Amino acid sequence: EVQLVESGGGLVQPGGSLRLSCAASGFSLSSYSMNWVRQAPGRGLEWVSFIYTDGNTKYYVDSVKGRFTISRDNGKNSLYLQMDRLRDEDTAVYYCASQNDYSYGWWGQGTLVTVSS
Amino acid sequence: ETVLTQSPATLSLSPGERATLSCRASQSVSIYLSWYQQKPGQAPRLLIYDASKRATGIPARFSGSGSGTDFTLIISSLEPEDFAVYYCQQRYNWPPATFGGGTKVEIK
Repeated sequence: EVQLVESGGGLVQPGGSLRLSCAASGFSLSSYSMNWVRQAPGRGLEWVSFIYTDGNTKYYVDSVKGRFTISRDNGKNSLYLQMDRLRDEDTAVYYCASQNDYSYGWWGQGTLVTVSS
Repeated sequence: ETVLTQSPATLSLSPGERATLSCRASQSVSIYLSWYQQKPGQAPRLLIYDASKRATGIPARFSGSGSGTDFTLIISSLEPEDFAVYYCQQRYNWPPATFGGGTKVEIK
């Protein structure tokens, strides 16, 4: 059974940092490009970041460029999102999602990040 | 950035009725438009990809159509478990990948 399990969310003050993890099981992460997608409370979905299978190609939404860093460890079947200089507007549930051609086939259950003083 | 506009924002229907959801793109996305279902407290689930292909395990009452800038998701006969929020998404013109604002299908 395919599973994606996020962890690392929590309460952090503005300007702080968090590192999210996404552990994959039931498939080989190395075969899939991966994404982070977030959802602010009561709002819609927003794509945040993408990383290619080999980790060498990365993209970010403009609002997080220079603050967030996506990475992966295929040997550990894991995906990461390092979030620095966090802002109130980064408060959201963060999902990892597999890239299946042009769509997101598999999703984790999400991890809540709350940025507040 | 390709903006996806979903309509209506809310659809109030009864079980057994037909639901028609629309997604319009600000520029062509060819056939590369996906639909997702999200229930409260749950992650989104892929329903339709490449405009009209059902994802694994998705019932035949869900169908998608369209190309270019205009797309439609139809639920032929609503089951109780279909009341949820539906999002369209494109990754054809990117980055960034974009989602529509969602259509909530609620019980009338």
